[in-house]
Amino acid sequence: EVQLVASGGGLVQPGGSLRLSCVASGFTLSDYWVSWVRQTPGRGLEWVATIKQDGSEKYYMDSVKGRFSISRDNAKNSVFLQMSGLKAEDTAVYSCARDWNYGFNLWGRGTVVTVSS
Amino acid sequence: SYELTQPPSVSVSPGQTASLTCSGEKLRDVYASWYQQKPGQLPVLVSYQDDRRPSGIPERFSGSSSANTATLTISGTQIMDEAVYYCQGWDRNIVVFGGGTKLTVL
Repeated sequence: EVQLVASGGGLVQPGGSLRLSCVASGFTLSDYWVSWVRQTPGRGLEWVATIKQDGSEKYYMDSVKGRFSISRDNAKNSVFLQMSGLKAEDTAVYSCARDWNYGFNLWGRGTVVTVSS
Repeated sequence: SYELTQPPSVSVSPGQTASLTCSGEKLRDVYASWYQQKPGQLPVLVSYQDDRRPSGIPERFSGSSSANTATLTISGTQIMDEAVYYCQGWDRNIVVFGGGTKLTVL
């Protein structure tokens, strides 16, 4: 089955860190750019970061620059999101998505990140 | 960054045509995509590059774009089409989503 599965979320205190993982199955992840997108009831969908097939290009939304880092391990068909300096406003469901023709044609089941003391 | 604006809600009767809009100055220069999201489910791409339809998406879904407005048209709307629809733009590797439109079919 073609799918993406995100994991690694949890409850963390403000200022803390988490590392999210996204594993692909049923296709070769290294053929695609991959993004992280988060969703909250209040803000809807928010794009977080994107990484090129070989990891040579990375892009971030302004509010996470310097705090979040996207990376990938194509041998493991995986993409990661290292999050540090977490803030309450980072609380969301984080999903990974496969980039395709300026859209996202495959989304992974998300992982919940809660930033709270 | 830039913004994409969608009306919070649209209502349509079954069998009628629903037009969902997404406005923003950047839409003059960038492609628009559309997603359907039902409660508890992942978003599904229903239109990309303004007016292209992914395989497996019913023909009643069609996208278009003119000037600063992108439109998703659902012809012969069905009860199963009730969902939140998000537009999305992609400019120089910066991605922006609209706030979403709740489509009610009643």
